[in-house]
Amino acid sequence: DGGITQSPKYLFRKEGQNVTLSCEQNLNHDAMYWYRQDPGQGLRLIYYSQIVNDFQKGDIAEGYSVSREKKESFPLTVTSAQKNPTAFYLCASSMGLADEQFFGPGTRLTVL
Amino acid sequence: AQTVTQSQPEMSVQEAETVTLSCTYDTSESDYYLFWYKQPPSRQMILVIRQEAYKQQNATENRFSVNFQKAAKSFSLKISDSQLGDAAMYFCAPYGGSQGNLIFGKGTKLSVKP
Repeated sequence: DGGITQSPKYLFRKEGQNVTLSCEQNLNHDAMYWYRQDPGQGLRLIYYSQIVNDFQKGDIAEGYSVSREKKESFPLTVTSAQKNPTAFYLCASSMGLADEQFFGPGTRLTVL
Repeated sequence: AQTVTQSQPEMSVQEAETVTLSCTYDTSESDYYLFWYKQPPSRQMILVIRQEAYKQQNATENRFSVNFQKAAKSFSLKISDSQLGDAAMYFCAPYGGSQGNLIFGKGTKLSVKP
């Protein structure tokens, strides 16, 4: 089955630690995205990548980093510089930037 | 900055009735897609319907249809014969053009009463 997987579903980290969220897709999509969702805030774009080895900052990139070494993978690192990292994180992919986005099931990150 | 406004944070509809969710947006693109996504309590984002801006005909997908007013930059979603499974957050998402990706509204929470 084609789709997008995110792992883990729930993630806990201690304050001051970096943590990496995984996102993998087998849809052969060129574009991939990371969103953050907080209550009442909708989806806010963190980073997106149009092709391998290239990515762009979204609206709230501070405290986050990404890499795109393979077409299928777009991991997101939440660094200790992110002041309020507790949130629900969604990964998505699409053929092109204007196309329908397909979403993963999300990762709930909680900072203890 | 390009923006999307969903003016109804919450709405309620009786089962089997019809409800319309509103969305207005601000984009400079003339040829683009617009989307409505649904997020049920499982939090999985699901595409509901897609509209191609260059088409005058409004998109329809079973019980879901849109009213696309291009000049007014309005893109409302109509749900007919509402079902309990329609209860969810609904997000409007037009293509942002110069911002290089879809722009999501803050969502409308729809409740369906039996």
